Amino acid sequence: AQSVSQHNHHVILSEAASLELGCNYSYGGTVNLFWYVQYPGQHLQLLLKYFSGDPLVKGIKGFEAEFIKSKFSFNLRKPSVQWSDTAEYFCAVNEVTGKLIFGQGTTLQVKP
Amino acid sequence: SAVISQKPSRDICQRGTSLTIQCQVDSQVTMMFWYRQQPGQSLTLIATANQGSEATYESGFVIDKFPISRPNLTFSTLTVSNMSPEDSSIYLCSVTAANSYEQYFGPGTRLTVT
Repeated sequence: AQSVSQHNHHVILSEAASLELGCNYSYGGTVNLFWYVQYPGQHLQLLLKYFSGDPLVKGIKGFEAEFIKSKFSFNLRKPSVQWSDTAEYFCAVNEVTGKLIFGQGTTLQVKP
Repeated sequence: SAVISQKPSRDICQRGTSLTIQCQVDSQVTMMFWYRQQPGQSLTLIATANQGSEATYESGFVIDKFPISRPNLTFSTLTVSNMSPEDSSIYLCSVTAANSYEQYFGPGTRLTVT
């Protein structure tokens, strides 16, 4: 069965630090990849997505992710985090059926 | 993008009762899904709501416990039946528009079972 693994469960950073959250998936076929963010008290929002083409995708709020097919990875990055980036981050893979498989989530806490 | 609303936003229910959650989308969508997010955990797909036919359930979820309806392209309901405290979760509706792989989520329904 397809699965998604996020390596970091809880990350604590100071403002202006760089961020990289790991995501690996297990599926040999064509996939669509997503990062979702859930800010405290808010609902799930799409941060960025990869369908095809340039493996480096840019999303909202300065986030980007790189799809490395050979490593089955889709890591999320941001050069300089802000306190407002404190949130839960979920990596997800879209099967051909349309349903999303989510990783376990990473809690990011940014200290001012 | 699609705008999704859910009712109720939260509820506290007694063990053994049932709760029906409504999901309304502002545009016609091809696929609708129901997810559960248990406290401190990730999202788990319950089922795909199919218009005019029975929902497609994931392993570990059954129709008797989570009956789902989807009478048209913009509306669906999920019922959590014979609730127990283990059903305390956030239940989320999500949709995919036609010709798109993007999936949008509703605000969720926070259910507490006492």
